[in-house]
Amino acid sequence: DAGVTQSPTHLIKTRGQQVTLRCSPKSGHDTVSWYQQALGQGPQFIFQYYEEEERQRGNFPDRFSGHQFPNYSSELNVNALLLGDSALYLCASSLSITGELFFGEGSRLTVL
Amino acid sequence: RKEVEQDPGPFNVPEGATVAFNCTYSNSASQSFFWYRQDCRKEPKLLMSVYSSGNEDGRFTAQLNRASQYISLLIRDSKLSDSATYLCVVNIPTGFQKLVFGTGTRLLVSP
Repeated sequence: DAGVTQSPTHLIKTRGQQVTLRCSPKSGHDTVSWYQQALGQGPQFIFQYYEEEERQRGNFPDRFSGHQFPNYSSELNVNALLLGDSALYLCASSLSITGELFFGEGSRLTVL
Repeated sequence: RKEVEQDPGPFNVPEGATVAFNCTYSNSASQSFFWYRQDCRKEPKLLMSVYSSGNEDGRFTAQLNRASQYISLLIRDSKLSDSATYLCVVNIPTGFQKLVFGTGTRLLVSP
């Protein structure tokens, strides 16, 4: 039973570029949440997707957007990258909007 | 005030020691509380949920004090493998699963 998988694991971008991160939830899970973890900080909630809709959102600008597909997989898009967007981006899936979260290993983004 | 606050540490303890971490939260309506463990450059993993009556899982004991909005984690007989960052997590009552993480407390267990 595959857990939560994320891709790519590492990537490097330059300021102003755009990035797309991908997440496949754990088998049977229908809800995906995205978190940003800067170095030395705890994960910060970006948004949550359920039934292909964004259900709630944290304090992140509109440059951060997402999508959930019919197979429950999800993408996180960040436009106009800033140096401060460098972080580990974690995807977590759950069964329903209140179930236990299972995290993927993350995508480590470096913005130069 | 931060939604979840933890002492970042690091806590340096010898093997066999008992160590306790504390965490405070600001939203009195919060209902669910957790401790997650995160190893260096890895994803967080659920260590244990925290219940009102307190709960124990082997060497780990978690307690909740709603009146003081305070959560604790006690680790007895520390092992080298306990070295990690421990994240205090609170579920904010928005009707959805929105977990708010503390900055984490780093534990280093030495021989």
